[in-house]
Amino acid sequence: AQKVTQAQTEISVVEKEDVTLDCVYETRDTTYYLFWYKQPPSGELVFLIRRNSFDEQNEISGRYSWNFQKSTSSFNFTITASQVVDSAVYFCALGKTSYDKVIFGPGTSLSVIP
Amino acid sequence: NAGVTQTPKFRVLKTGQSMTLLCAQDMNHEYMYWYRQDPGMGLRLIHYSVGEGTTAKGEVPDGYNVSRLKKQNFLLGLESAAPSQTSVYFCASSYEGRSYEQYFGPGTRLTVT
Repeated sequence: AQKVTQAQTEISVVEKEDVTLDCVYETRDTTYYLFWYKQPPSGELVFLIRRNSFDEQNEISGRYSWNFQKSTSSFNFTITASQVVDSAVYFCALGKTSYDKVIFGPGTSLSVIP
Repeated sequence: NAGVTQTPKFRVLKTGQSMTLLCAQDMNHEYMYWYRQDPGMGLRLIHYSVGEGTTAKGEVPDGYNVSRLKKQNFLLGLESAAPSQTSVYFCASSYEGRSYEQYFGPGTRLTVT
């Protein structure tokens, strides 16, 4: 079975706090791809990052960082020094080699309070 | 480049009416997708296409049909709309299916009364 779980439905933080969004996935494939997307209040979905299963290096992009751990099947997303503009719904997604499509998690709604 | 565009942005239908949602992309992507987004359920794949002239069913295909007559266009049809089809519909495209990021359109908010 393939599945993406984002156990945190909603998170609220005060501006400048750090916040981590959890993503746990299930797959039997050895080759797969993981994604994060952002959906701000305006509604459009924006791609943030893609990782393949052979690259477990953590990635940092500005205030954003991602921690990929195959041992726990997790691909967590951390925002450092959160800002109001980070308020959005964030989706984790899994692309499997055996499918032509990507499976999205249910999303985590992040509210950053000024 | 316009990226992915969707027409219309909003629509209200009465139960039993039909309509077609149009998605267009100018990135020469092979893969195109239709999703619906409902509160608390994330994105669910309705149908997708791996190239011109091809379509395949996703997770929730019932009540919808699709066509991909041209590479750049992917149409989603509702033959007899039902209130359960009230949702926000997103079209997306990607260079390849499982390993490349998807580019999304702005969405169509459909209400069926």
